[in-house]
Amino acid sequence: NAGVTQTPKFQVLKTGQSMTLQCAQDMNHNSMYWYRQDPGMGLRLIYYSASEGTTDKGEVPNGYNVSRLNKREFSLRLESAAPSQTSVYFCASSEAHSPSGNTIYFGEGSWLTVV
Amino acid sequence: QKEVEQNSGPLSVPEGAIASLNCTYSDQGSQSFFWYRQYSGKSPELIMFIYSNGDKEDGRFTAQLNKASQYVSLLIRDSQPSDSATYLCAVLYAGNNRKLIWGLGTSLAVNP
Repeated sequence: NAGVTQTPKFQVLKTGQSMTLQCAQDMNHNSMYWYRQDPGMGLRLIYYSASEGTTDKGEVPNGYNVSRLNKREFSLRLESAAPSQTSVYFCASSEAHSPSGNTIYFGEGSWLTVV
Repeated sequence: QKEVEQNSGPLSVPEGAIASLNCTYSDQGSQSFFWYRQYSGKSPELIMFIYSNGDKEDGRFTAQLNKASQYVSLLIRDSQPSDSATYLCAVLYAGNNRKLIWGLGTSLAVNP
């Protein structure tokens, strides 16, 4: 049982390049999330998908797009990378619909550097 | 603006002692409360959640919730060096968005 798997783990991009972070979960969870984590800023929600077929903006959506491809997969795309997007990105999922179901399970993280 | 506040630390305790981590939140509509542990360079992992007033125990960990005073705490008994990590408090707010708000975390160092 892999849980939440995200790729790539490390990536260096040049300013203006595009890339997609991939995420898949095998826990049959309804909700999926993309967070970024920066020193002194904590975890900030970029986008989330409450259920298959829906996506919504979080706190810091500018410069990003997402796709909920199916119930398992939720990808994050940087269309034109900027140095301000240098961060650690976490994909996460939760069952939802109950107090315990709101427990979020995180992937291992993707370290992205934009130069 | 819904907020979750934690003392950034570092909180330093000797091995075997009780570590006490605190979290306050601003909105009385809060519904569920989560404690996550994050080792350096790793992703957050759930320690426990609580949604009723009082104490909830799981092994060496006890979560305490006081909704009237709007705080939640995590006690770690018999602290071990392997408990050295950053502890994140997260609060779920009720409402249409069921938004999860994260604290910035408290750094804990357990000294052998």
